[in-house]
Amino acid sequence: DAKTTQPNSMESNEEEPVHLPCNHSTISGTDYIHWYRQLPSQGPEYVIHGLTSNVNNRMASLAIAEDRKSSTLILHRATLRDAAVYYCILWGDSGGSNYKLTFGKGTLLTVNP
Amino acid sequence: NAGVMQNPRHLVRRRGQEARLRCSPMKGHSHVYWYRQLPEEGLKFMVYLQKENIIDESGMPKERFSAEFPKEGPSILRIQQVVRGDSAAYFCASSPRAFTGSNTIYFGEGSWLTVV
Repeated sequence: DAKTTQPNSMESNEEEPVHLPCNHSTISGTDYIHWYRQLPSQGPEYVIHGLTSNVNNRMASLAIAEDRKSSTLILHRATLRDAAVYYCILWGDSGGSNYKLTFGKGTLLTVNP
Repeated sequence: NAGVMQNPRHLVRRRGQEARLRCSPMKGHSHVYWYRQLPEEGLKFMVYLQKENIIDESGMPKERFSAEFPKEGPSILRIQQVVRGDSAAYFCASSPRAFTGSNTIYFGEGSWLTVV
């Protein structure tokens, strides 16, 4: 299984941009990069996903390196509500048992007021 | 659009009682997944269901646990004769079709079971 590496924790100030890195040097050609976050006492929340091109949605942007061995989740203006554990996950497009998931430890983002 | 709805959010049961957790998937979603998160641990897959079918229950303990997703109504995760080790957060997720990397799954807010 392709694995990801994320920093254990990061800190940001409110209303500043946050760049959350993820390394996935063993990514395969059919692996999509997914990001979820989990706030305390909440279920995992889908943030964004992409394959090769950078992606934007109302929550965040996903910047994918040209060689796809790393990616960065960008929160353009952090708010206190963005404080959560962020998970970077690789899921293949060939079906199989993606649903079995592997969230790992993720990055704990702290946002300072 | 309503998200994945789980209830109850919090449930307290005495050892030996039964716990029933309900999950209504997002509208139009016919694939349901159950996960368990023990304190300080990651999510662990339990079971994958489609309407009236169990597709994969390889993550579910062989005894005391069962799941169903009837033609009408929510999916139910049932835990019989609960023990303290069953205390955990149980999350349900759903997707409109079989989960591949190009789509995604959406989680409910979870049901927190406490066994006393």
